[in-house]
Amino acid sequence: RKEVEQDPGPFNVPEGATVAFNCTYSNSASQSFFWYRQDCRKEPKLLMSVYSSGNEDGRFTAQLNRASQYISLLIRDSKLSDSATYLCVVLSGGSYIPTFGRGTSLIVHP
Amino acid sequence: GAGVSQSPSNKVTEKGKDVELRCDPISGHTALYWYRQSLGQGLEFLIYFQGNSAPDKSGLPSDRFSAERTGGSVSTLTIQRTQQEDSAVYLCASSFMAGGITGELFFGEGSRLTVL
Repeated sequence: RKEVEQDPGPFNVPEGATVAFNCTYSNSASQSFFWYRQDCRKEPKLLMSVYSSGNEDGRFTAQLNRASQYISLLIRDSKLSDSATYLCVVLSGGSYIPTFGRGTSLIVHP
Repeated sequence: GAGVSQSPSNKVTEKGKDVELRCDPISGHTALYWYRQSLGQGLEFLIYFQGNSAPDKSGLPSDRFSAERTGGSVSTLTIQRTQQEDSAVYLCASSFMAGGITGELFFGEGSRLTVL
């Protein structure tokens, strides 16, 4: 089993839709969680960290479920500019090396 | 610029040749990472440098791969006797470590390697 797993998609949604991605991780000692965004042929960039209590940044909401070992990203009111690949990133306790999932592709169409 | 700089941005080489990829991290960032990303794949960890400590080389796929970081700043990833399966985008990232906690990773634009 891979350490970090994501549904590669693509998720194809109309503008204004709400879309959610999940990511599961295998190491129960994982302590830090992030979502990165990667545009086509560009480098990944941090979208948001994921806190235990859940957190929101504008249209984006991230949640952590430690019992089931998954994190989620919810995007409300999707924009064309949200089209990208969303990478789930996990950092295990005692490790300094973030592990990246393969990413979930989102395509927002008019 | 203030970001992570990588060179070359594109490199086409013949099988069996050696290549060097360079990364200039953000000033003041003590942690430096090399990852590679093949087409449609996730980021594969290669090597990690932190300050003057011995690097974590656990991700290097074979002994044809090596990296060094001089003066705690610029890093060079060297691939000897390149093979076609080495074709990928090689991404460098740097991070500021505080209290042993890894902060946000800032990536360069990558070096796209094509081995013919």
